[in-house]
Amino acid sequence: SQTIHQWPATLVQPVGSPLSLECTVEGTSNPNLYWYRQAAGRGLQLLFYSVGIGQISSEVPQNLSASRPQDRQFILSSKKLLLSDSGFYLCAWGGQANSPLHFGNGTRLTVT
Amino acid sequence: QKEVEQDPGPLSVPEGAIVSLNCTYSNSAFQYFMWYRQYSRKGPELLMYTYSSGNKEDGRFTAQVDKSSKYISLFIRDSQPSDSATYLCAILFRRKGSARQLTFGSGTQLTVLP
Repeated sequence: SQTIHQWPATLVQPVGSPLSLECTVEGTSNPNLYWYRQAAGRGLQLLFYSVGIGQISSEVPQNLSASRPQDRQFILSSKKLLLSDSGFYLCAWGGQANSPLHFGNGTRLTVT
Repeated sequence: QKEVEQDPGPLSVPEGAIVSLNCTYSNSAFQYFMWYRQYSRKGPELLMYTYSSGNKEDGRFTAQVDKSSKYISLFIRDSQPSDSATYLCAILFRRKGSARQLTFGSGTQLTVLP
């Protein structure tokens, strides 16, 4: 069966520091991969998605970036964090066609 | 107007009650409908997935879609304290030439009191 792993679960970083969040998927090949952010009491906002290695689409212009160095690995990065980057970051994968997305357990990021 | 509007709640019901959670959407091109359950500090978990108008049942959960009214609902029968969570409706669409994407409602927080 397919599983998705995200780490770390929680992270506290100072303003201006770099960020790297990692997500890996097991049990499937060539998945579509997604990064979402969830603000408290609000829905999920799509940040990036990828349909293949090295292919990244950005939905929201900001100081975050994403990379997909391997088929089942998706990384969210920032060179300098802002206070407004605090939130709950979720990685998700989807199979082919119109199948639903499946989420990891998220990383709660607090920028101080 | 948001693409997906969800009754905000919060909703508090006694154990054993029938719960109704609702969303409306604006884009008639939407075709695939999902409900996710999210416990505190966890990722959303897929509960129901459907693409046709009508009802789909899975145990105590029933997903209802009315495409003519652009209205979707999730019913929970015999609600349990373990059902206490935030419920998110989501609608899947595919933009031309890109991967499928989900648009989410803002979520309804449900508390089932023992």
